[in-house]
Amino acid sequence: RKEVEQDPGPFNVPEGATVAFNCTYSNSASQSFFWYRQDCRKEPKLLMSVYSSGNEDGRFTAQLNRASQYISLLIRDSKLSDSATYLCVVNLASGGSYIPTFGRGTSLIVHP
Amino acid sequence: IAGITQAPTSQILAAGRRMTLRCTQDMRHNAMYWYRQDLGLGLRLIHYSNTAGTTGKGEVPDGYSVSRANTDDFPLTLASAVPSQTSVYFCASSDGQTDTQYFGPGTRLTVL
Repeated sequence: RKEVEQDPGPFNVPEGATVAFNCTYSNSASQSFFWYRQDCRKEPKLLMSVYSSGNEDGRFTAQLNRASQYISLLIRDSKLSDSATYLCVVNLASGGSYIPTFGRGTSLIVHP
Repeated sequence: IAGITQAPTSQILAAGRRMTLRCTQDMRHNAMYWYRQDLGLGLRLIHYSNTAGTTGKGEVPDGYSVSRANTDDFPLTLASAVPSQTSVYFCASSDGQTDTQYFGPGTRLTVL
């Protein structure tokens, strides 16, 4: 079982829809949580950090649930340009360090 | 240089050959990482370095070595390439304040 799990999708939604992704992690001692966006054959780019109190950036909302060990990403009013793969990253505690660990990514396709 | 660069962009390599992938950052970040990305498996950490002079093993270190002689450079070496090392390789760096990772554009390596 991978330490950071995501539903690979694809999530196929119409423009304007609201879509949510979850990402679960195995180590309760984890710190620092992120969502990255990756376009086809390109490098991942930071979408947003995830804070304990939850945070919002325009149409995007990220939340952290430490008790249930998951983070979520909500996208409102989906645009065609939101089509991409969304990667969650958790810094997992390991031997005195925190090691960034990626989920396998969730594919989003927004259609007209 | 602005950000993080990788070289070469792509490479076709005969099995058994030695190859070094280069990574350079100009952001003075302490931490640097090497990942490989394969279809369906997401990004997997190969090696990392929390600061110049130190390195650590990630999830899939076998067949790879790294060095960190200075802050800016973090080369990844395949001593004797095998076809299973065919992949896209991403280098990343992060600061110690936010743990946000910044990625290079990637190297597409094919081992025949």
